[in-house]
Amino acid sequence: QSALTQPASVSGSPGQSITISCTGTSSDVGGYNFVSWYQQHPGKAPKLMIYDVSNRPSGVPDRFSGSKSGNTASLTISGLQAEDEADFYCSSYTSSSTWVFGGGTKVTVL
Amino acid sequence: EVQLVESGGGVVQPGGSLRLSCAASGFTFSAYGMHWVRQAPGKGLVWVSRIRSDGRSTTNYADSVKGRFTISRDNAKNTVYLQMNSLGAEDTGVYYCTRDLYDTAIDHWGQGILVTVSS
Repeated sequence: QSALTQPASVSGSPGQSITISCTGTSSDVGGYNFVSWYQQHPGKAPKLMIYDVSNRPSGVPDRFSGSKSGNTASLTISGLQAEDEADFYCSSYTSSSTWVFGGGTKVTVL
Repeated sequence: EVQLVESGGGVVQPGGSLRLSCAASGFTFSAYGMHWVRQAPGKGLVWVSRIRSDGRSTTNYADSVKGRFTISRDNAKNTVYLQMNSLGAEDTGVYYCTRDLYDTAIDHWGQGILVTVSS
């Protein structure tokens, strides 16, 4: 159950687009369309942003979008805003009927 | 409004035990699977365990806690539990009670409860 691989940090200016990658294996990301993304502000509980690769829960802005190709999933934030500065985590269901998270990516708005 | 409120955290000595509880409200508890996720200080999220809403309350565990932790639920009390035994320093962190979404994701999180394993 190795953690999924995410970049430690990604940054962008307001209004720009950024993409966070999440790499796993054929036993998790590549084997199922069950990738989800979570946003966590300091001292707060995480919040679901994307589920099943590309679905947005009600209330999540459409600036957030998800996709997947092979063993790598991606979260794109378009029109970056100051309030998007947070830690982001990907997660995937696995062939062992467990879940695995990525190591997290710190998004900085310049 | 979905609410998940954890309790039972605190300081415990290495090798000790602790039972976390999570009181759920605002939804039909018996119809949802529940997970526990933890986060060591300054570190990332780690999935710990899940209990399904099926009649057998099927359970799954991360390798790091298998054999030491037990997840259970009481649908009459709208509560999910995490019994943690043989605790070590590596188990220190904030433990989040969470609700399952379609067996594929987590859609609601509690505020978290701190567990500290230290002598």
